[in-house]
Amino acid sequence: DSGVTQTPKHLITATGQRVTLRCSPRSGDLSVYWYQQSLDQGLQFLIQYYNGEERAKGNILERFSAQQFPDLHSELNLSSLELGDSALYFCASSARDRGLDYNEQFFGPGTRLTVL
Amino acid sequence: GDSVTQMEGPVTLSEEAFLTINCTYTATGYPSLFWYVQYPGEGLQLLLKATKADDKGSNKGFEATYRKETTSFHLEKGSVQVSDSAVYFCALSDRRGSQGNLIFGKGTKLSVKP
Repeated sequence: DSGVTQTPKHLITATGQRVTLRCSPRSGDLSVYWYQQSLDQGLQFLIQYYNGEERAKGNILERFSAQQFPDLHSELNLSSLELGDSALYFCASSARDRGLDYNEQFFGPGTRLTVL
Repeated sequence: GDSVTQMEGPVTLSEEAFLTINCTYTATGYPSLFWYVQYPGEGLQLLLKATKADDKGSNKGFEATYRKETTSFHLEKGSVQVSDSAVYFCALSDRRGSQGNLIFGKGTKLSVKP
């Protein structure tokens, strides 16, 4: 158990709908990362938040948005869903910047989104 | 931009066979390198890491050496077990303190038969 929790585990919805995925980082971790894992694109970085602020953006569509709340949990909002958005969405967290020269991220179990 | 290329799977081996999964990277700076493992139905777990050239990461019998001259980080294990069946991802993190995001290869599925 990584200490990162994600809800829901599975989500089935229809095209055009909007969903919210939730992530709670490990206790004390300030950074949250969102990744999308699909068969054709592999694992892709979407967005990172650090202590409530957006830190980095990857291949995130404009229909997608995220935020990190004062209690450090994060939500990923996906709107106007398309069939191609079906994927496994992972959240990861890492500790506050301690001046380490590497970035160990701890991953949650993922949310499997199916768009019909 | 930065990228990671790893060998296509699936890889099927018999128990106690030797494993190599190739990984090469392209990066502008001096990245940290990682191998993550994903067991069926689970999230990713860090298997091992290396932060500078010639570093060797090791864990659970797996090893990988950071080779700057060949921009490689190949994963090896001398004797695989059925329990090693999983998908293995090579990844890099650019060195922006400890907060850089991870860039992953496409993953290599390993199946070990008894």
